Amino acid sequence: QKEVEQDPGPLSVPEGAIVSLNCTYSNSAFQYFMWYRQYSRKGPELLMYTYSSGNKEDGRFTAQVDKSSKYISLFIRDSQPSDSATYLCAMSSYNKLIFGAGTRLAVHP
Amino acid sequence: EAGVTQFPSHSVIEKGQTVTLRCDPISGHDNLYWYRRVMGKEIKFLLHFVKESKQDESGMPNNRFLAERTGGTYSTLKVQPAELEDSGVYFCASSQVTGSYGYTFGSGTRLTVV
Repeated sequence: QKEVEQDPGPLSVPEGAIVSLNCTYSNSAFQYFMWYRQYSRKGPELLMYTYSSGNKEDGRFTAQVDKSSKYISLFIRDSQPSDSATYLCAMSSYNKLIFGAGTRLAVHP
Repeated sequence: EAGVTQFPSHSVIEKGQTVTLRCDPISGHDNLYWYRRVMGKEIKFLLHFVKESKQDESGMPNNRFLAERTGGTYSTLKVQPAELEDSGVYFCASSQVTGSYGYTFGSGTRLTVV
């Protein structure tokens, strides 16, 4: 069983839609939870990180962590074509990241 | 500030040859990490430097891989001899704070072994 499970998609939505991306994990020692965005031929770019359970909002992006269910989510409101990318969840207990497979998102005009 | 720089961006080599990848972290970042993504798999941790010292090299796949960070600045990752299964994208990242958030990744080196 993988430590982090993420549906690879692809996910295709119309512009303006609310997008929900999710990951589940098995290691209860994870303390930091991150979402990265990766454009084609580029490296992952940190979007948001949270420590422990709760919500965090940054503009159109909201990250949620539910440690009791070992489930994290990223919501994108008013999605734009420029949001089209691969979204990777990542988790850590100290000095290394464990990534999900990444979900490919396409937002069409 | 300049980001994390990796080169070459793409390398094609024959099985059995040697390849050296280079990473220049953001200036002042003591922490440097190598990750890689092989075809169809998740991005996986290879190793972590703090300055010139290897803090964790538990992700290095075998002794054909050698990472160095002389002087605590740039780092190299050498694969010798390369095998077909080494093909993938090798990412370098750096951070100022030792921990697991706030990494800045480079664009990666795409390695193809034929």
